[in-house]
Amino acid sequence: QVQLVQSGAEVKKPGASVKVSCKASGYTFTSYAMHWVRQAPGQRLEWMGWINAGNGNTKYSQKFQGRVTITRDTSASTAYMELSSLRSEDTAVYYCARDFLPYYYDSSGHRIFELSPGYWGQGTLVTVSS
Amino acid sequence: SYELTQPPSVSVSPGQTARITCSGDALPKKYPYWYQQKSGQAPVLVIYEDSKRPSGIPERFSGSSSGTMATLTISGAQVEDEADYYCYSTDSSGNHSRGVFGGGTKLTVL
Repeated sequence: QVQLVQSGAEVKKPGASVKVSCKASGYTFTSYAMHWVRQAPGQRLEWMGWINAGNGNTKYSQKFQGRVTITRDTSASTAYMELSSLRSEDTAVYYCARDFLPYYYDSSGHRIFELSPGYWGQGTLVTVSS
Repeated sequence: SYELTQPPSVSVSPGQTARITCSGDALPKKYPYWYQQKSGQAPVLVIYEDSKRPSGIPERFSGSSSGTMATLTISGAQVEDEADYYCYSTDSSGNHSRGVFGGGTKLTVL
């Protein structure tokens, strides 16, 4: 079965960076997109970005563009999300989420991902405090 | 940037039908997805591609769309359905798309 296991809670000072990992198992890692979503205390879900685990291509929310970097290590079936220049407003639970649906091929033979977060990690609390 | 709009709260009595709406300009072209999130837990996908239910999701959960509005319907809502519900979609097609969540709707069943 699909499992996503995230790294443990982090406490960071303002201005620092944090890198959260998401280890996948139970499926072919390179065949699905992986998303990162965060949720500040008492707030809504916020989509941050996604990575094509096959070729490493990424797309980020405009809100986080320039501060977030999503990468993956295919040999370890692990995705990473790094957020820099942390501020108190970045205190949140960060989730990785694998696409629910598989990719399909378009008329040009390109893999197209549905961008359908369906399987979620347990979440990682990142606290930013001086 | 693209936005999805949901009502902040919906309240029903047990056994009644709960309807949660989600509006967005791209919904006629992009499928909506619906997630249930109970307090302190990760979200759970309850509806995908507008109206399909993942395995294990009760039949009382259904989805539909008309124009720029998507609706999650819980027929005969149970106390255990009390949770926050989020719609999700993308802003365009293909691998250059970005995802977006609605603001969430708190469903109260009592």
